[in-house]
Amino acid sequence: AQTVTQSQPEMSVQEAETVTLSCTYDTSESDYYLFWYKQPPSRQMILVIRQEAYKQQNATENRFSVNFQKAAKSFSLKISDSQLGDAAMYFCAYSASITQGGSEKLVFGKGTKLTVNP
Amino acid sequence: EAGVTQFPSHSVIEKGQTVTLRCDPISGHDNLYWYRRVMGKEIKFLLHFVKESKQDESGMPNNRFLAERTGGTYSTLKVQPAELEDSGVYFCASSHFRGFSNNEQFFGPGTRLTVL
Repeated sequence: AQTVTQSQPEMSVQEAETVTLSCTYDTSESDYYLFWYKQPPSRQMILVIRQEAYKQQNATENRFSVNFQKAAKSFSLKISDSQLGDAAMYFCAYSASITQGGSEKLVFGKGTKLTVNP
Repeated sequence: EAGVTQFPSHSVIEKGQTVTLRCDPISGHDNLYWYRRVMGKEIKFLLHFVKESKQDESGMPNNRFLAERTGGTYSTLKVQPAELEDSGVYFCASSHFRGFSNNEQFFGPGTRLTVL
């Protein structure tokens, strides 16, 4: 079974600084998707960024980028120029590719609570 | 476009009672998912509907949980009878269609269930 591990229950960063959240996963599949979701306090979870395993290029979305190391099964999230609004719970998630008959269900890590200090 | 909505936002019930949670997906989304986060643990998949059909219910914990999706629109998740270990936050998510790539799942705000 696939598993996702986030080893940092909590992280903090100074406003305008850069922070990296770690995520490792385990799977025997060759094609899959990885996601970072953000859940601000008392708000809905939203997708931050996603990576398709067959793409070697790391995904980026404005200040958010990932370091995808397929061989190491590592998928870290880097937030540059951190803002107060980045404070949230961040979840790393995995789903098998439907093109290989996988289910789109998401497998989540336990989450990392990010605090941004002014 | 309205997002995924869930009702109620909070529910507190006694052990042995019945509770029904509702999820309204984004209009036109064929896929609907239920997830649950028990305190301190990972968010876990419960089941997946494609329109009104159950595509995958491998995550349903036991037969006290019953999910339905009438006419392929809104979905309900009933817990009967509720036990203490059912406490947690129940999330619903929807996505557009099953094409050739995995689609973004849009999440609702969740229903916090407390069983006393």
